[in-house]
Amino acid sequence: DVKVTQSSRYLVKRTGEKVFLECVQDMDHENMFWYRQDPGLGLRLIYFSYDVKMKEKGDIPEGYSVSREKKERFSLILESASTNQTSMYLCASRLGEGSTDTQYFGPGTRLTVL
Amino acid sequence: SQQGEEDPQALSIQEGENATMNCSYKTSINNLQWYRQNSGRGLVHLILIRSNEREKHSGRLRVTLDTSKKSSSLLITASRAADTASYFCATDAEGNTPLVFGKGTRLSVIA
Repeated sequence: DVKVTQSSRYLVKRTGEKVFLECVQDMDHENMFWYRQDPGLGLRLIYFSYDVKMKEKGDIPEGYSVSREKKERFSLILESASTNQTSMYLCASRLGEGSTDTQYFGPGTRLTVL
Repeated sequence: SQQGEEDPQALSIQEGENATMNCSYKTSINNLQWYRQNSGRGLVHLILIRSNEREKHSGRLRVTLDTSKKSSSLLITASRAADTASYFCATDAEGNTPLVFGKGTRLSVIA
């Protein structure tokens, strides 16, 4: 089974802190994604990556950056956390050979910024 | 940009009843997928239907797709309390593009 793990289930940070959310997948998937999920807004795509050292902006990239130095790891960075970044963050991966591939999700990180 | 829009937003039924959720989308798609999310957890893939298919079954799940109306429905038959979750449709255009998710339907199955 594909496994996507996220570094923390719950995280509490202060405004202005730099925050790293880590995601690791174990199935050699090429594609990786970061979403945030908020009540009433569903899942919104922040950033995605089709390959190592490659990144693409999603629908809401402002205030975030990403890093993909290794194929299995995709990190989401909040350079200076703000209270409006309090949310559930979901990482996903996909094989990437075609659009019929399933996306596999991690368990999510619930981030609270005080 | 959100493509899929699920309807209803919330649904509450008795155990044993059937649950039907609908999804409408705006642009041409290559396939449509349904995912399930238990409270506070990640999403789990349920079923995929390609644009040239009209109906697909998987266990107690039945998915239909009407590309002329740009809509899909997910039917869960003989629902169980364990089916309580949020259900999302996701659409995928041609090529290696990210899935676009709707806002989801919250299903509550009461024992």
